[in-house]
Formats: sequence, C-alpha cells, structure tokens
Amino acid sequence: NAGVTQTPKFQVLKTGQSMTLQCAQDMNHEYMSWYRQDPGMGLRLIHYSVGAGITDQGEVPNGYNVSRSTTEDFPLRLLSAAPSQTSVYFCASAKGEPYEQYFGPGTRLTVT
Amino acid sequence: AQSVTQPDIHITVSEGASLELRCNYSYGATPYLFWYVQSPGQGLQLLLKYFSGDTLVQGIKGFEAEFKRSQSSFNLRKPSVHWSDAAEYFCAVAKTGGTSYGKLTFGQGTILTVHP
Repeated sequence: NAGVTQTPKFQVLKTGQSMTLQCAQDMNHEYMSWYRQDPGMGLRLIHYSVGAGITDQGEVPNGYNVSRSTTEDFPLRLLSAAPSQTSVYFCASAKGEPYEQYFGPGTRLTVT
Repeated sequence: AQSVTQPDIHITVSEGASLELRCNYSYGATPYLFWYVQSPGQGLQLLLKYFSGDTLVQGIKGFEAEFKRSQSSFNLRKPSVHWSDAAEYFCAVAKTGGTSYGKLTFGQGTILTVHP
C-alpha cells in the first residue's frame, strides 16, 4: 500500500491564483481530513470528510473548498490564494473509531 | 472545545540523558491521546497512542507516555536520548464517541535539540 499520498510537494502561487492540492489513500479509509501547519501553532483542521459525498468544516475553513466524490480522493481547493495561506498542508485518513490517523508527506505552499 | 498545551516550546538535552516532554489537555472526558514526531521537512509519524486501559503506553523508538487522568496530562518520556531523536514533537487529542470522527486538536509542538 502507498498509504496517503499528496501532490505536489512544493507549490508557489501568486495572490489571487487558484489551485488544487491532491490527496489520495489506498487503505479504504472512510475518514479523511486536511490540516495546515504554521510555526508555533501546531496543526489545525481545515476540512474533513466522513465518507464519499460528505464533508464538513474544521477549525480554519475560510478560503478553502473540498469535495469527496470517491473514497480514495479528497482534494483541497484554494479558489483565490492569499499570502495568509502560505503554510504546509497535510492530508490524513482514518478507518473508524478510535480514528487512528495516517498522515501524508505534506505540501509546502507559498503565496506571494 | 478541547485544547492541548505543550508548555515547552524548545528543550535541549545531551545525548544519553533522559527526556520528558509535557502535554496537558482540556476536555470533559478521557479523550484519545496521541504523540507524533516530525523531523525537519518531513511528515508526521505516530509515536504512540492511548485509547483505554493501561495508562502507561509504549511506542516506537523507545518512547513511552503515561496518561494521568487527575492531572489531564499525557507526558512523553525516553530514558536515554539519541542524536536521531532531534525533531519536533506534537501532542494531540481527539474526542471519543462516533460523531467526533477523530478530529485532532494539536498542541503547539516542542522542538527537541540533542547535544552530543
């Protein structure tokens, strides 16, 4: 199993550009989530999904959209990038309670 | 809402010395508890977890953690630190119960420096 994969590893955007961060898992996990990591703040939950077609907001959802059309994929969309979205983004997946989560390698995003 | 506090932003120890990283949480019941480690430029690796039962849990790389309900703490320990343990360590909690969906709340992280 590849586990949780994320693409790209690095990305530089200009303010106002849009892009999609890709996340896929091959473990047939129901639960998937996106976190952002900023220095001194740990990781914060952006959006999560409890299955195909079901998504909900986390702690810091503004400026991000998600959808879940398949069990395997959970893309994160930035519609109009802002410098405040410069961060490292991690995708995670889990099977069921107690929801032990497996993290992807991360995407480092810089918005200029 | 639950919260997690890691009081120490940066800890420096000598190789071979013992280590304890502190984690305190705020939650109305016993949560699921996790410690993750992150090497520079890398993703998060799960060190250990507590779901229920024995309050002293063993993890990978020689780490252990003890859950103390009375102190709302889940401190991470290692008896003898190796230079390769230098990294950032995160404590995280998740609410129990099916509708929590395991949403993790992380502490701010503790950076560990190991001197030779």
